[in-house]
Amino acid sequence: GQQLNQSPQSMFIQEGEDVSMNCTSSSIFNTWLWYKQDPGEGPVLLIALYKAGELTSNGRLTAQFGITRKDSFLNISASIPSDVGIYFCAGQMLTQFYFGTGTSLTVIP
Amino acid sequence: DTEVTQTPKHLVMGMTNKKSLKCEQHMGHRAMYWYKQKAKKPPELMFVYSYEKLSINESVPSRFSPECPNSSLLNLHLHALQPEDSALYLCASSRVAGGIYNEQFFGPGTRLTVL
Repeated sequence: GQQLNQSPQSMFIQEGEDVSMNCTSSSIFNTWLWYKQDPGEGPVLLIALYKAGELTSNGRLTAQFGITRKDSFLNISASIPSDVGIYFCAGQMLTQFYFGTGTSLTVIP
Repeated sequence: DTEVTQTPKHLVMGMTNKKSLKCEQHMGHRAMYWYKQKAKKPPELMFVYSYEKLSINESVPSRFSPECPNSSLLNLHLHALQPEDSALYLCASSRVAGGIYNEQFFGPGTRLTVL
């Protein structure tokens, strides 16, 4: 399947700091999605992006669909303890969604 | 409503047992998915149903048997599983518009343990 490279693999930050993570691929995607997953739970959709260059916000989260359609980034501003979890990007092509390797976020109070 | 429900939440089964996982969505989505997820890894696609027809089988062993009785329901029948099949099994659905598959939503998952 398609490989999405997601970085960083893990982050340890102080509460209140901003966070940035990104995904890159060798393939072009029609849609980029960002999910957050808590242990033992299903991924929760945070943001969906549909057009190259699109910049979308959801509260403290901002994500962008890269111009080349091969990358996307997610920013979290003013992190809080409940932001802890694993963040996955996903690219959509035809009927399938391909996932990044995940970014594990730890927020230190 | 963006809810996908899954039952049971937890399942422990022996290698000779037969069990089923169930998934339901009422968002009118015409694509439904089964994924397998190991700890701290991304979900791995198992099956895709489009308009109630199996469209993708990612070379999944026959001990996993999917079924889509109608557009809202998706089952995964399990038989003669192995301990390495222990994982979180996730169901998801996505809207299909103009042939484009958008916004995939996940259920809470079934934590499966095979003894």
